[in-house]
Amino acid sequence: DAKTTQPPSMDCAEGRAANLPCNHSTISGNEYVYWYRQIHSQGPQYIIHGLKNNETNEMASLIITEDRKSSTLILPHATLRDTAVYYCIVRVVIQGAQKLVFGQGTRLTINP
Amino acid sequence: DGGITQSPKYLFRKEGQNVTLSCEQNLNHDAMYWYRQDPGQGLRLIYYSQIVNDFQKGDIAEGYSVSREKKESFPLTVTSAQKNPTAFYLCASSQRGTGGLNEKLFFGSGTQLSVL
Repeated sequence: DAKTTQPPSMDCAEGRAANLPCNHSTISGNEYVYWYRQIHSQGPQYIIHGLKNNETNEMASLIITEDRKSSTLILPHATLRDTAVYYCIVRVVIQGAQKLVFGQGTRLTINP
Repeated sequence: DGGITQSPKYLFRKEGQNVTLSCEQNLNHDAMYWYRQDPGQGLRLIYYSQIVNDFQKGDIAEGYSVSREKKESFPLTVTSAQKNPTAFYLCASSQRGTGGLNEKLFFGSGTQLSVL
């Protein structure tokens, strides 16, 4: 299974860009990188996903390196409500069945 | 509104008791999943189902059972064989469960199970 590595915690000032890194050095060619976030005691919320091109939506931007071994989630103007645990996830197919491989995530704290 | 509904929000289990967690979705998704989350940890896959009347074990299936008799429902039973059931349980669904890797997962709001 491809696995992901993220820093356990990060801090960012309100209004600044938050850049969350993720290593997925064993990712294979057809595996997408997904980002979710989870606020305490709630279900994870989808943020963005990508294969090899950079992606942007209303919530965030995703930058994937050319070799696809790492990616960075960018929250362009962080607010206090962005405080959450952020998961970088790789979806794999094993024997025809999909599995999401969750790591420990990064606890992002936005400071006023 | 379309979405995934988990119930109850909080559940307590006595020793030797089986309890069932409900998960219903009205998104018309084929695939459904159950995850377990322990404090400060990531999500671990318990069971998943790609189609009605079919399901597969995930990484930590021991002590759990599921059924998928209807497309919209995927209940999880925590049996007495699960010796450490206290955790936050999350149900999820996606459009398809096989082949398509470009699919978002939608999560319910979770059930917190505690042992009395």
